Amino acid sequence: GAGVSQSPSNKVTEKGKDVELRCDPISGHTALYWYRQRLGQGLEFLIYFQGNSAPDKSGLPSDRFSAERTGESVSTLTIQRTQQEDSAVYLCASSAPFWGQPQHFGDGTRLSIL
Amino acid sequence: AQKITQTQPGMFVQEKEAVTLDCTYDTSDPSYGLFWYKQPSSGEMIFLIYQGSYDQQNATEGRYSLNFQKARKSANLVISASQLGDSAMYFCAMIGGFKTIFGAGTRLFVKA
Repeated sequence: GAGVSQSPSNKVTEKGKDVELRCDPISGHTALYWYRQRLGQGLEFLIYFQGNSAPDKSGLPSDRFSAERTGESVSTLTIQRTQQEDSAVYLCASSAPFWGQPQHFGDGTRLSIL
Repeated sequence: AQKITQTQPGMFVQEKEAVTLDCTYDTSDPSYGLFWYKQPSSGEMIFLIYQGSYDQQNATEGRYSLNFQKARKSANLVISASQLGDSAMYFCAMIGGFKTIFGAGTRLFVKA
C-alpha cells in the first residue's frame, strides 16, 4: 500500500491478556517509530527502529512492552499482561533513511483494556 | 534531556487572519530537527513543516512557515490566512539521537 498500515484498528481486551499490534511501514522506509497517545494528550515516544535494530529501548514504559521488526519491514509491538493504563491509541510511523525526512503515520490502533 | 514545550493549550483565530503557535525546545545535541504536525479530529497525523538545526533560512510550506530562533530555542509555527479547515490539534516535535519528542499540543479554533 501507499501509506503506513496498522492492524488491528481497534482492539478490546480484558486486563491481564497479551496483545500484539502490527505496523507495516511504507516500502523503502528504513526508520520505524512507535508512539502511544492517551486520550487528549500528546504523543509519547516508545521506540525507534533503524532497519531491524532498536538502538534505544528506554522509551518503553515497562518490561511488559516489547517490540521487534523483521528486516526493514513489518514491526510488532507486544504488550503482556495488559493493564487499564495501557488503554490508548498506539501510533506507528515510518520515514526514509535520510536526516530530516518527515515521519508518515498510520491511523493507529485504539486499544481498550476492560 | 530533550524537552518540547507548547504553552498554549488552546488558541482562537479569525478566519483569514494569521496565527502563531509557540514551541520552545531544549536539547544538548548540536544536530536536531524540528517538525510540526496537524491532528484533526479524525485522528490522523499530518506532516506540515520541517526545520533542521543547521538550516540558515526559516522553512516555509505554502501557508505554513516556521519562525526558527536557534539562540532562543524556539520554533514557532505561523499559519497565514487561516481557514476553517485549519481547526485541529497542532504538535511540535523534535528529533535528535534515537528519539522523537512531541509537545503536548495546541488546539486551534478558527472562527468564521
